[in-house]
Amino acid sequence: AAGVIQSPRHLIKEKRETATLKCYPIPRHDTVYWYQQGPGQDPQFLISFYEKMQSDKGSIPDRFSAQQFSDYHSELNMSSLELGDSALYFCASSHSREQYFGPGTRLTVT
Amino acid sequence: KQEVTQIPAALSVPEGENLVLNCSFTDSAIYNLQWFRQDPGKGLTSLLLIQSSQREQTSGRLNASLDKSSGRSTLYIAASQPGDSATYLCAVRGGADGLTFGKGTHLIIQP
Repeated sequence: AAGVIQSPRHLIKEKRETATLKCYPIPRHDTVYWYQQGPGQDPQFLISFYEKMQSDKGSIPDRFSAQQFSDYHSELNMSSLELGDSALYFCASSHSREQYFGPGTRLTVT
Repeated sequence: KQEVTQIPAALSVPEGENLVLNCSFTDSAIYNLQWFRQDPGKGLTSLLLIQSSQREQTSGRLNASLDKSSGRSTLYIAASQPGDSATYLCAVRGGADGLTFGKGTHLIIQP
């Protein structure tokens, strides 16, 4: 069965640089969620989109923005990167209730 | 603000034992609860989803129960195997979209 695809899987950036993470949901899933998991931490909800509109907002920094496109894929844009942004970023998708997670993008900020 | 607590934080048992992982949440107004498995440095695999109106769900050797009024859920793993070794995360969904996670139970099954 098709799963959530995230790219890139690994990303290394320097402080103050910009990063873009991509998420391709499971076919026919209309909702996308973004989560951040710091080292040794539980995942924290950042933002979600339903039918290409922002649906809910969690603890997403103002330096981050995201959108969902007409083909339902989503991108998380991160600017002015800080060392503390180093984390595993997950995208999840759903059609109704259950959220299915992708493998994550590991971002390292040096 | 919803808070999710998982007990124990870590558990090590011999292969073949039945075990119970506990999850509690402070706000009983939830939409559903999901149990996930996470291997080190990997993604989250959804194990079971329980809707707020349900009492339990079963999948193979796994059984999850939900007592919404008391803010508790348990994940029962029967006949544990070394391949079950992982971190198990409990997450609840309230009125908003995002899941609120517990810090997980790190499970080791000794061969």
